[in-house]
Amino acid sequence: KQEVTQIPAALSVPEGENLVLNCSFTDSAIYNLQWFRQDPGKGLTSLLLIQSSQREQTSGRLNASLDKSSGRSTLYIAASQPGDSATYLCAVSSGMNTGFQKLVFGTGTRLLVSP
Amino acid sequence: DTAVSQTPKYLVTQMGNDKSIKCEQNLGHDTMYWYKQDSKKFLKIMFSYNNKELIINETVPNRFSPKSPDKAHLNLHINSLELGDSAVYFCASSQELHRVYGYTFGSGTRLTVV
Repeated sequence: KQEVTQIPAALSVPEGENLVLNCSFTDSAIYNLQWFRQDPGKGLTSLLLIQSSQREQTSGRLNASLDKSSGRSTLYIAASQPGDSATYLCAVSSGMNTGFQKLVFGTGTRLLVSP
Repeated sequence: DTAVSQTPKYLVTQMGNDKSIKCEQNLGHDTMYWYKQDSKKFLKIMFSYNNKELIINETVPNRFSPKSPDKAHLNLHINSLELGDSAVYFCASSQELHRVYGYTFGSGTRLTVV
């Protein structure tokens, strides 16, 4: 059974700092890994998608890496801004014995960037 | 041009009532999902439909009955609502046959049972 864990659970940093969010998963047989952002009371916004064959993806100040063999992913945020404050969710797409895939979410990291 | 849209956005109802949440996607995806986010903000899959056929049912009480009239729509009907059903319900879609693409989520329906 796939389990996804994110650390830290919460993180508070001053504006301008670079930071790393961690995600680990127990079953390395994944199709892809997706990082989402969720603002309070809002839906999920997809940030980055890494295929199982890829090592990293970049979008603006965000960089996500994937080490499938060790079951780890990191989300690096450069030069953090107050607008980055949100909950960040890691999710892995795994296959099931039916042949279909299922997205399993981590517990989330709540980020607060102070001005 | 919303990709995955859910209605209603908020739903407040009394215990014992029956309610429905609707979801539509215009991405041409063949698979749709319902996820539940509990009070601790943990997201867990409930159901998944691929081309109108049920492919995932994660031991959800049978008071919850999903219906997919076509591959662009997945509705969730809940009978005899209980206090513990209060949560945010998210609809999502993906393209099962081409797993290089990720999932797209709706904005959620906040259900409050009083």
